[in-house]
Amino acid sequence: DAGITQSPRHKVTETGTPVTLRCHQTENHRYMYWYRQDPGHGLRLIHYSYGVKDTDKGEVSDGYSVSRSKTEDFLLTLESATSSQTSVYFCAISEAVAGSLSLNTEAFFGQGTRLTVV
Amino acid sequence: DAKTTQPNSMESNEEEPVHLPCNHSTISGTDYIHWYRQLPSQGPEYVIHGLTSNVNNRMASLAIAEDRKSSTLILHRATLRDAAVYYCILTSAGNMLTFGGGTRLMVKP
Repeated sequence: DAGITQSPRHKVTETGTPVTLRCHQTENHRYMYWYRQDPGHGLRLIHYSYGVKDTDKGEVSDGYSVSRSKTEDFLLTLESATSSQTSVYFCAISEAVAGSLSLNTEAFFGQGTRLTVV
Repeated sequence: DAKTTQPNSMESNEEEPVHLPCNHSTISGTDYIHWYRQLPSQGPEYVIHGLTSNVNNRMASLAIAEDRKSSTLILHRATLRDAAVYYCILTSAGNMLTFGGGTRLMVKP
């Protein structure tokens, strides 16, 4: 199994509080991603990173920020949690392949963090 | 981003082959076709990917149409552990995976 760990695995927090989720990898992969998954839906990309300090927005980035100060860690922060951010969050990693314009290798996903905002 | 179309659900009998279809008529020349699956309460798991030629690995086979506008994931002998949601995904520049709704595969004993 790829070395990717999400923490915490479960969290309950109150509306308006800040929350930070951590994704840690031991594979030294360049790309890291944060997705959310809501009941009955596929995964939706929140933010991604293509290197240390290099990040970009995905399709559902409002209300979220990210940071990547070192290769192995990618943090997702909810500055002021809302009930609509109750979801399961997945982190993923992948490696870049030189000369390829698109992802040509497998991505590895973490086990997910179940976040409940009450 | 090019999109994919998959049936919402499919059923299969245990130990029989399963063919999961995917349409991607707007695929571009540089898009790879990826398949992932998600078992209940787990993160997605890589199954297979390809560009133009058919691909085989220990989990499955990927058959890609000559015009690349469709593909089929083939599980040669379905087991109960193969019951999952299967996602067909095209990857474009930026190295991102964009998930659609997927196909929920149910395997009957």
